[in-house]
This record gives sequence, structure tokens and C-alpha cells, in this order.
Amino acid sequence: QKEVEQDPGPLSVPEGAIVSLNCTYSNSAFQYFMWYRQYSRKGPELLMYTYSSGNKEDGRFTAQVDKSSKYISLFIRDSQPSDSATYLCAMSGGRGSTLGRLYFGRGTQLTVWP
Amino acid sequence: DTEVTQTPKHLVMGMTNKKSLKCEQHMGHRAMYWYKQKAKKPPELMFVYSYEKLSINESVPSRFSPECPNSSLLNLHLHALQPEDSALYLCASSLGPRKGPSYEQYFGPGTRLTVT
Repeated sequence: QKEVEQDPGPLSVPEGAIVSLNCTYSNSAFQYFMWYRQYSRKGPELLMYTYSSGNKEDGRFTAQVDKSSKYISLFIRDSQPSDSATYLCAMSGGRGSTLGRLYFGRGTQLTVWP
Repeated sequence: DTEVTQTPKHLVMGMTNKKSLKCEQHMGHRAMYWYKQKAKKPPELMFVYSYEKLSINESVPSRFSPECPNSSLLNLHLHALQPEDSALYLCASSLGPRKGPSYEQYFGPGTRLTVT
């Protein structure tokens, strides 16, 4: 079992839809959770960063972390064609072998059509 | 400013060539990373420098040689590469493992490497 599981999609939605992206993980040492957006042939861009459990909102994006279920989500409201990209979840721990490392999901490919 | 820059953007090299990839950040970050990314896969960690010292080497072949001349610069020296080394090479930086609890990493645009 991989430490971070993410459905690779592809996911295709119409413009204006609410998009839900999810990851599950198995390592209880993870405390720091990130979502990256990666356009084709570009580097990953940090979208959201959350420490421990809870919600964080930034514009149209909301990140949720449920450590008890080892489950994280990214919601995109009013999705736009410019949101079409691959979304990678990533996580890190604060000690031991997880220190300084990011553990990535496989990435979900999202297409928002006009 | 959360910018990490990488040069060159594209590189084509033969299997006998020697070349270097460069990465620079001016965010005061003390941890810097090299990743390799193949198409439709997440980035794979290669090396981590923390406070200019190599702290993680993910059993990368010796034909890849990292160097951290100072806290803002990171190089990856390439020699005698194989065609299967063709990939997007990403540099990233973060505040540093000892400056927690901020662990997020900022990535550069990458160097697309083709080995012929």
C-alpha cells in the first residue's frame, strides 16, 4: 500500500462546477498537508498549505484535513477552464524519516470545459 | 516573493556529455531539493540539502552529482547519462526542517532534459 493514495482521474467538469479532490494516507506521522497545481510541462505551484486538522479557505479554494480519518480534500468553487491542470496532494511529518520529505499522491488530472 | 528560478529551461545532451543544471532562490530558505519527474508521475525526491549540507541522497546513481555552493544556489552536475534519465528536473526550497512548523516547498519551473 502506498503511503498516499490519490485517484488519478481524469476528472472532467463543466465551467462553474464545484470540484472535489481527495487523498487518503496511512502514516499517522503526517502533520503538514499541501495541495499543488501543475500545468502541463511546468513546475508544481503551491496552492494550499494546512497544518494538522481543520479547514483553510483562499478565494475559490478550500482545503480540509481530517486526521482522524487520514483524509484530505481540496474543493474548487466556480471552476474555470484555467483550473485545468493536474492537482497533487503532498504531505510531510515533523520528525524521524518523514522530516524534510514530501510524500506525494499520484495527482488528479482535471479538465474544466467551457 | 516565492520564486525559485532554474536554468536552462531545456537541455538536450548526449550520453558522453557533461552538463549542469542550476537553481537559485532568494527567499532565505535553508533547505533545497532536487526532484526528478517523469510524465504523468509525481515528483521523485533525489537530494536534499539542509543548511548547505547534503542530508538526504535517495540512492541516486553517481552520474548525478549535486552541489550547494551557498544558501541560495543549488547545482546538479550531469555526466554519462542514459536515455532513461530524460525527465523534468525540479528544484524546490523550503524554510528548512529546523525552522518549523513551516514545511511547504516551493518549486521552480523545471529543466526539461532529453538524453540522446
